[in-house]
Amino acid sequence: GAGVSQSPSNKVTEKGKDVELRCDPISGHTALYWYRQSLGQGLEFLIYFQGNSAPDKSGLPSDRFSAERTGGSVSTLTIQRTQQEDSAVYLCASSQGRLTANSPLHFGNGTRLTVT
Amino acid sequence: QQQVKQSPQSLIVQKGGISIINCAYENTAFDYFPWYQQFPGKGPALLIAIRPDVSEKKEGRFTISFNKSAKQFSLHIMDSQPGDSATYFCAARGAYGGSQGNLIFGKGTKLSVKP
Repeated sequence: GAGVSQSPSNKVTEKGKDVELRCDPISGHTALYWYRQSLGQGLEFLIYFQGNSAPDKSGLPSDRFSAERTGGSVSTLTIQRTQQEDSAVYLCASSQGRLTANSPLHFGNGTRLTVT
Repeated sequence: QQQVKQSPQSLIVQKGGISIINCAYENTAFDYFPWYQQFPGKGPALLIAIRPDVSEKKEGRFTISFNKSAKQFSLHIMDSQPGDSATYFCAARGAYGGSQGNLIFGKGTKLSVKP
């Protein structure tokens, strides 16, 4: 595709519900990243995929968070039993290869999650 | 050890002025330092990037200055324009996570350029 696509763009859910956030990376990009952006907190790394495997899951904040990637393309971030502190913008990004100026991160516009 | 510290948190500059945003890091293994620009409702987009073997890189009105010994780098926006009003993030590439690495971001600087 032309860019990284994320859906939904906005999600409001009740505390305790599960949510799934979807990311379609740029076609041909082997690396896929999830970040979380909270007000005043910058971008917090969550997980990185190379193909369908996740060599680095170190940023997932708790076992309520999980992610998968299938077919080396689409990725889903799942948050179980959502809490109010999960409210944030969840950003997905992809890159063609090793992160350099010629192979930068391309971000989607994010999913704004609000937990009420 | 994995942090990138960015300042100021917000910045107001007059049109035509110079905007300066500073970042500092601790981990000497960081080997790639990009700056990202983010407009409201959009994802961040790469603005300019530098490697630690270069002390300065300029692209148009945007310049990165890099001080390896001080572990600091900064973004200078010359002749700042209202269209430059955005949030700017510095970042550094970590070495873990396999050969790809990932980016560790500063907390961002909200720049407002007044006409």
